[in-house]
Amino acid sequence: DGGITQSPKYLFRKEGQNVTLSCEQNLNHDAMYWYRQDPGQGLRLIYYSQIVNDFQKGDIAEGYSVSREKKESFPLTVTSAQKNPTAFYLCASSILDGETQYFGPGTRLLVL
Amino acid sequence: GQQLNQSPQSMFIQEGEDVSMNCTSSSIFNTWLWYKQEPGEGPVLLIALYKAGELTSNGRLTAQFGITRKDSFLNISASIPSDVGIYFCAGQPKTSYDKVIFGPGTSLSVIP
Repeated sequence: DGGITQSPKYLFRKEGQNVTLSCEQNLNHDAMYWYRQDPGQGLRLIYYSQIVNDFQKGDIAEGYSVSREKKESFPLTVTSAQKNPTAFYLCASSILDGETQYFGPGTRLLVL
Repeated sequence: GQQLNQSPQSMFIQEGEDVSMNCTSSSIFNTWLWYKQEPGEGPVLLIALYKAGELTSNGRLTAQFGITRKDSFLNISASIPSDVGIYFCAGQPKTSYDKVIFGPGTSLSVIP
């Protein structure tokens, strides 16, 4: 079955801690994206990658970092510099950048 | 920057009623997409529209790509409780150098 998986479903972060959210796709898509969603809000783009070993900042990249070492994987690290990390994080992919995006099930990050 | 406006922001309707919502922009888009997001899940693509004036159906859902290319409409006929969720529109700009833009969403509640 082709699709996008995100893990974990829920993640707890302590103050000052870095945490990494996983996103994997087996759709053979070149482009991948990370969005943040706050309650009652739309989607805000954090980072995106058009191709392996390349990524670009989105609208709210501060306090986050990514890597794209493999086509199928695009992990997001929420660093201690992100002062308000509690949110729902969504990963998406598309065949090419600018094409229709397909979303994973999301990871909810909570701060203890 | 480019923005999408969705209206209404939220709707409470009786089961069996028809639903209409729209998405507008000051910019022209090449493609319009409609997604549905259920609580705690990632958005799921419902309908994609690729040509101005196009009318596309997916079961009880019908969406239209506005003639001006600056708007799109989604209708749901004979609503049922499982239609509950947030409906997002997304516009893909004319060039692949521009990012996909997501609207803020319309929250739909169906009263049995």
